[in-house]
Amino acid sequence: EDQVTQSPEALRLQEGESSSLNCSYTVSGLRGLFWYRQDPGKGPEFLFTLYSAGEEKEKERLKATLTKKESFLHITAPKPEDSATYLCAVKEDDKIIFGKGTRLHILP
Amino acid sequence: DAGVIQSPRHEVTEMGQEVTLRCKPISGHDYLFWYRQTMMRGLELLIYFNNNVPIDDSGMPEDRFSAKMPNASFSTLKIQPSEPRDSAVYFCASSSVRGAAPNSPLHFGNGTRLTVT
Repeated sequence: EDQVTQSPEALRLQEGESSSLNCSYTVSGLRGLFWYRQDPGKGPEFLFTLYSAGEEKEKERLKATLTKKESFLHITAPKPEDSATYLCAVKEDDKIIFGKGTRLHILP
Repeated sequence: DAGVIQSPRHEVTEMGQEVTLRCKPISGHDYLFWYRQTMMRGLELLIYFNNNVPIDDSGMPEDRFSAKMPNASFSTLKIQPSEPRDSAVYFCASSSVRGAAPNSPLHFGNGTRLTVT
């Protein structure tokens, strides 16, 4: 059973059309939830760390939120340059376990 | 800071050959991770080191895979013999838990794309 599940697998939006990506997790003793962005041919790039339920972090058009069982990455008025794969990861002990990601495509 | 450096960027080899992937972590980072990424399985953790010592290699798929970290600035992942199903992108990442960042994020290299024919 996957410990980190992301949905949807892929999402196509028009420029300016806001939406949310979901990350649900089943690890016990969460020691941190991370969001990364990955562009084609590159390694994942860190966006946010969330530690406790109710916490929120923002960066430009992105806002990440956390509950006890899931996290959301909200994208407000996205632009084509926001197109990428967004990866969620959780920390269990010293291991960081990734979901399979959401491929986001923003149409101009 | 140059970031995590991996080499080669691309590797094409024939089945049965030995493959060695290399990684130079960020200076001062005490954790190093090797991941493998495929479309089907996403990013899978293979092994990680703390202060050059392997801590958990439960993700290494078979005995054909081995990893070493002879010093704080270099690690290798070796596949011998390689098989077509090993084709994937292999990432190295490093992090630090010193100071006020006990849950510091991973910093990834740009990966090695391995193709085994």
